[in-house]
Amino acid sequence: QVQLQESGPGLVKPSETLSLTCTVSGGSISRYYWTWIRQPAGKGLEWIGRIYPSGSTNYNPSLKSRVTMSVATSKSQFSLRLSSVTAADTAMYYCAIEIAVAGTNGNWFDPWGQGILVSVSS
Amino acid sequence: DIQMTQSPSSLSASVGDRVTITCRASQSISSYLNWYQQKPGKAPKLLIYAASNLQSGVPSRFSGSASGTDFTLTISSLQSEDFATYYCQQSYGNPRTFGQGTKVEIK
Repeated sequence: QVQLQESGPGLVKPSETLSLTCTVSGGSISRYYWTWIRQPAGKGLEWIGRIYPSGSTNYNPSLKSRVTMSVATSKSQFSLRLSSVTAADTAMYYCAIEIAVAGTNGNWFDPWGQGILVSVSS
Repeated sequence: DIQMTQSPSSLSASVGDRVTITCRASQSISSYLNWYQQKPGKAPKLLIYAASNLQSGVPSRFSGSASGTDFTLTISSLQSEDFATYYCQQSYGNPRTFGQGTKVEIK
C-alpha cells in the first residue's frame, strides 16, 4: 500500500522560497501523477500542480510563475518549490497521487500524505 | 477554470438522517467528479470517484450520482463518524478545482 510523507521547513520568511519533499513508500514512483495541494487554515483546497515521472508538469495558472516541481525516482521522492512567498502562502501542504483506472472517467487523488503546515512569517 | 459550487455550505443533521450534498460544475465535465471527506486535522479521504463509484473500504451508505452538470453525494443514514467536511473535485480539466466544502454538523 502506497504511503506518502511530506517533509520540509515549517517556517519560511517572506520573499523566500518554500521547499517541500514528498517521500513515497510501498510502491513505485515511476507511474501516476504526483500532486501538490494546499489548504489555508479554515479554508478550502487548492490544487498547486502535478508532475509525471517523465518530468512533464501541469501547474495552476494562479501560481505558475512561482512554482517548480521535480521528481527523483531513484529516491522515491518528488518536490515542490514555491518562490517569493507571502503570508497568503501560509497553509497545510499535502502531496497526493493522482490515479486513474482503465475504463473509468477521470482521475482522482488517493492516497494523500498527512500534510505539513508551512507558515510564512518573519 | 472550471468552477465547482457546492450547496449547502453547512448543514446540521442527526444520526440516522438522510443527507444530500450537491455540487454544480460551471461547464460539462461528464462524470469526471470525485468526492472527499475531511475530518479536522486530517487529510482528505476519497469517498466516490467518477461520480458514482464507491472507493474500496468506504461504507455503502455513501453514494454518488450525476445529472448533467449537477452532482450529488448522499449519505443514506448518517452515522456519528460521518460528521466532517465534504468536498467535490473535478478532473475534467486543468487546473483541477474543488468545491468550497460542505460542513456536516451534529444537530
